[in-house]
Amino acid sequence: SYELTQPPSLSVSPGQTARITCSGDAFPLKYAYWYQQKSGQAPVLIIYEDNIRPSGIPERFSGSRSGTMATLTISGAQVGDEADYYCYSTDSSGYFWVFGGGTELTVL
Amino acid sequence: QVQLLQSGAEVKKPGASVNVSCKASGYNFDAYGISWVRQAPGQGLEWLGWINAKTGSTYYAHNVQGRVTMSTDKSTKTVFIELRSLTSDDTAVYYCGRDRVPGATGRPDSWGQGTLVSVSS
Repeated sequence: SYELTQPPSLSVSPGQTARITCSGDAFPLKYAYWYQQKSGQAPVLIIYEDNIRPSGIPERFSGSRSGTMATLTISGAQVGDEADYYCYSTDSSGYFWVFGGGTELTVL
Repeated sequence: QVQLLQSGAEVKKPGASVNVSCKASGYNFDAYGISWVRQAPGQGLEWLGWINAKTGSTYYAHNVQGRVTMSTDKSTKTVFIELRSLTSDDTAVYYCGRDRVPGATGRPDSWGQGTLVSVSS
């Protein structure tokens, strides 16, 4: 079955740029989506269709996709951005979706 | 505003079945699909499948195919997930999520509060 691969953890200092990668074989054809999940809460969609921020998501969150890799960038990371981040996409059929394993972001 | 209200926590024995509901309000129920996602304790998110609320057509993840059924009750604007032959690996918080736009498939941006399903002998 289709898989998306993320690094399990990333640590940055406040104000630094955090880049979280996600690799998947179908990315040349399929969009990437990103969810943020804080402890004990439901996920929040922060990027859709590679690089579009839903209303209310701060501008410091951005996304990109090139080849088989999608990247979530958090510019000027804040302590409040500490969370698990999941990439999400579909296989080549477009009907079966999958989450990456998640990246735990620490900002300290 | 969009609201998805899920049923309460469940405790089940191995081999049993569980049915979790997700009652929608605040939008045109027929226009949006619903995904089901679960999260085992300390683990990541896992997509379980998607249902078209208007037609009832479904797509199920390969690892639960054959054990899962998603359905809707349009009269009560409720979506259901039934998972059968439960094992301890099915212990998780189960979330329903509404698609971001009408006609989309599997792209949720509004979520229920989650339902804890515990499987233990």
